[in-house]
Formats: sequence, structure tokens, C-alpha cells
Amino acid sequence: DIQMTQSPSSLSASVGDRVTITCRAGQSIRNYLNWYQQKPGKAPKLLIYAASNLQSGVPSRFSGSGSGTDFTLTISSLQPEDFATYYCQHSFTTPVTFGQGTRLEIK
Amino acid sequence: EVQLVESGGGLVKPGGSLRLSCAASGLTFSNAWLTWVRQAPGKGLEWIGHIRSKTGGGTTDYAAPVKGRFTISRDDLENTLHLQMNSLKTEDTAVYYCATIHITMVRTSIMEYYFDYWGQGTLVTVSS
Repeated sequence: DIQMTQSPSSLSASVGDRVTITCRAGQSIRNYLNWYQQKPGKAPKLLIYAASNLQSGVPSRFSGSGSGTDFTLTISSLQPEDFATYYCQHSFTTPVTFGQGTRLEIK
Repeated sequence: EVQLVESGGGLVKPGGSLRLSCAASGLTFSNAWLTWVRQAPGKGLEWIGHIRSKTGGGTTDYAAPVKGRFTISRDDLENTLHLQMNSLKTEDTAVYYCATIHITMVRTSIMEYYFDYWGQGTLVTVSS
């Protein structure tokens, strides 16, 4: 199985901050990397697919980059509604696996 | 608008069985690849398995922890996805989500694979 490791596991930031979350794969997954946002008690929501493609309806302050083993999710200017947990997920092969999550909290 | 609604969760004893359903609307269900993902209390997301569309072969793949105990099936006439869970263990306690899989293929190679629409989840508690 391909292990996905996110860093940091938690992060405190303020409204307006620029935030970057990193995801590292245990082997090359080319660009088969997706990002999801989850708020408490809610289902995950797709933000970014294929490493850098913004899902329809997702604000442009979200962006993704990377290929191979190292990927980043960047939020250019944090908004109050962005405080949530973020997960990366590879889809290079089965089993599909998720990172452990990054909890983004208000400072 | 795509809507997915899970049902069938509840409390079950270890060793017992439970069948979850996911009713879908707003999409051409028979063309959809579908997946189940679970989340144990306070933990992260775990892929359970997926089922391809009939034109994609209708076959299934499973994660190791559930292989041989869980079965994913689909009823394209009723637009419903099912998850049959047998030999349940306490570690199967989780919220179970169904989701649609967006697939883009070139010939037989998958170019894009991601979960674009999700249900609200249904809680399964395995406890004596």
C-alpha cells in the first residue's frame, strides 16, 4: 500500500494568512493526488483533483501543486469558513489511501 | 443535482451483519463508479472499496481490512448502492460514506479518479 504522510498534523493560523499543507507519498504517484476538506459532522468535500485542478465551485484561493512524491495545498488568504480538516488522497492504484489529515485551527 | 443518501446504520454485536444502502439521484447511475469510505470516531478517512459501472466490468476492489467480510453491490434499476458487512468487529465502528467516483480514462488507463459527490454518512456501531 502507498502511504500518504501529511504535515503538519495541525496548524493554527489567522484570517488572511497564507497557509501551506504538505503531502508526501511513499512512492511516485505521478499526479494522482486529490485534496478534500472536511468540517465537523460533515462529509468530505473535494477541493483539488489531479494535483492541481480546482474543482468547480471551489474558491480560487485554494491551489494545489506537485508531482511524483511531494505535493502541496495552499490557501492564499484564509477565510473563516476555511477552518477545517484537510486530507490528501492518492488514486494511483488500489488501495486508495488518505493522509492522516491536517487540522487547521483559528489562532 | 446529485444526491446520495445512506441508510441502514445502527448498533450491531461483534460477529453480526449489517447491510447499508446508498440511494442516488441526479445522475446516470448505471454509468457511475461508486465507492464506500469510512471514518472511525475522531479518526481519518479510510477507503473500503469500489464498484465499477457495468460497462466498466461491474467488478469490485476492496481494502485489506474488509476483504472477505464486506461486499459492495449495485442495483442499477433502483439506483442504489449496497454494502453488505459480515463478521463485524469493534474496529468497524465508523461513519460510512458512499460517494461517486469521477473517472477519466484513455483507452484502458485511468487518468483521473476522485470522489466528487458524497452522502451525509451513516453511523455503524459494533459493540456488545
